[in-house]
Amino acid sequence: NAGVMQNPRHLVRRRGQEARLRCSPMKGHSHVYWYRQLPEEGLKFMVYLQKENIIDESGMPKERFSAEFPKEGPSILRIQQVVRGDSAAYFCASSPAQGAMDEQYFGPGTRLTVT
Amino acid sequence: AQKVTQAQTEISVVEKEDVTLDCVYETRDTTYYLFWYKQPPSGELVFLIRRNSFDEQNEISGRYSWNFQKSTSSFNFTITASQVVDSAVYFCALSPWNTDKLIFGTGTRLQVFP
Repeated sequence: NAGVMQNPRHLVRRRGQEARLRCSPMKGHSHVYWYRQLPEEGLKFMVYLQKENIIDESGMPKERFSAEFPKEGPSILRIQQVVRGDSAAYFCASSPAQGAMDEQYFGPGTRLTVT
Repeated sequence: AQKVTQAQTEISVVEKEDVTLDCVYETRDTTYYLFWYKQPPSGELVFLIRRNSFDEQNEISGRYSWNFQKSTSSFNFTITASQVVDSAVYFCALSPWNTDKLIFGTGTRLQVFP
């Protein structure tokens, strides 16, 4: 059973460009969580999605960031007009259902560098 | 407020030493979950343990053990007979009741020298 997949693993963008980060949850998992890890810091929750629904986006910056989890395909975290401060590792986690916390496994992360 | 504090930023030990990583949490919920994750130099996050607030039994898994004490709001992690492969950043995390999001501490970087 494949784990949580994220791509790309590394992404370099110039200031002002758009970044798209993809997350394919584990098979059978319909809940996806995105976290951001700034250099030398812990992970911070960004958003929690179920298929076609955003459940909790309390950790998302108000501007330039958006997330979706369509009926078909991976979850996408989109950052428009990136700035240097967006440079971070972005992790996705998935679980089969809410309350199944012991099965929330993380992907390998996407390391975004904004030049 | 919900918060996790890992006061030890960095710990260095020599192989075969025992080491304890501290974790103190804050929450007003009576039901919650606590976790430990390992982040090796390669960068991925490895799940180590989950504990719910009603289960204060200590847990042992090989060289790893966890001490959960609600009275002091602590969930400490001990590695016995440390090895070089244990070198990593270790994160403690809290998941409040009725939400699946994790609140992470800032991590403790453990370096084990041969």
